[in-house]
Amino acid sequence: NAGVTQTPKFQVLKTGQSMTLQCAQDMNHNSMYWYRQDPGMGLRLIYYSASEGTTDKGEVPNGYNVSRLNKREFSLRLESAAPSQTSVYFCASSVGLGQQDEQYFGPGTRLTVT
Amino acid sequence: AQTVTQSQPEMSVQEAETVTLSCTYDTSESNYYLFWYKQPPSRQMILVIRQEAYKQQNATENRFSVNFQKAAKSFSLKISDSQLGDTAMYFCAFTSRDDKIIFGKGTRLHILP
Repeated sequence: NAGVTQTPKFQVLKTGQSMTLQCAQDMNHNSMYWYRQDPGMGLRLIYYSASEGTTDKGEVPNGYNVSRLNKREFSLRLESAAPSQTSVYFCASSVGLGQQDEQYFGPGTRLTVT
Repeated sequence: AQTVTQSQPEMSVQEAETVTLSCTYDTSESNYYLFWYKQPPSRQMILVIRQEAYKQQNATENRFSVNFQKAAKSFSLKISDSQLGDTAMYFCAFTSRDDKIIFGKGTRLHILP
């Protein structure tokens, strides 16, 4: 099993450009998540998908959109990148919400917006 | 709303010493799960230990153990015989019925040789 995979690992964008971060899991998990991590801020939830076909906003959804393409894949799109979106982005998955099962994390994407 | 607080942004201890990381949380739920995750410099997040709220016995995983005080809403992580490889960010996390997991802001732990 590859677990949770993310692409790309690194990305540099200019202000106003768009891009999509890809995430896939091969553990047959129902729930998937997108976080951003900034120094001193911990992990902040951007969007999550409790199950295939559903998505919900997290703590910091502004400037982002998501698509739960199928059970395996959950993408994060930045329509018009801003320097404030410079961060490390993590995708994660779990069996479901509110359960004792752990979340599995991808390796992260380091995004710089200039 | 549920909250998770880690009051120690950064800690340093000598190798082989014991260190305790603090975590408090707030919830009105009676049953929930608590976790400690480790994020080493490689950035990959991994689960260290988990605790179910209705289990009174503290969870233990090798050198890692927790002190779970349900009434005080406290969930601290103890690392015994600390090793250089324990250097990492540690995140306390909480989840309850049908809800998403909530993370604290993390404690950066340095193990000194």
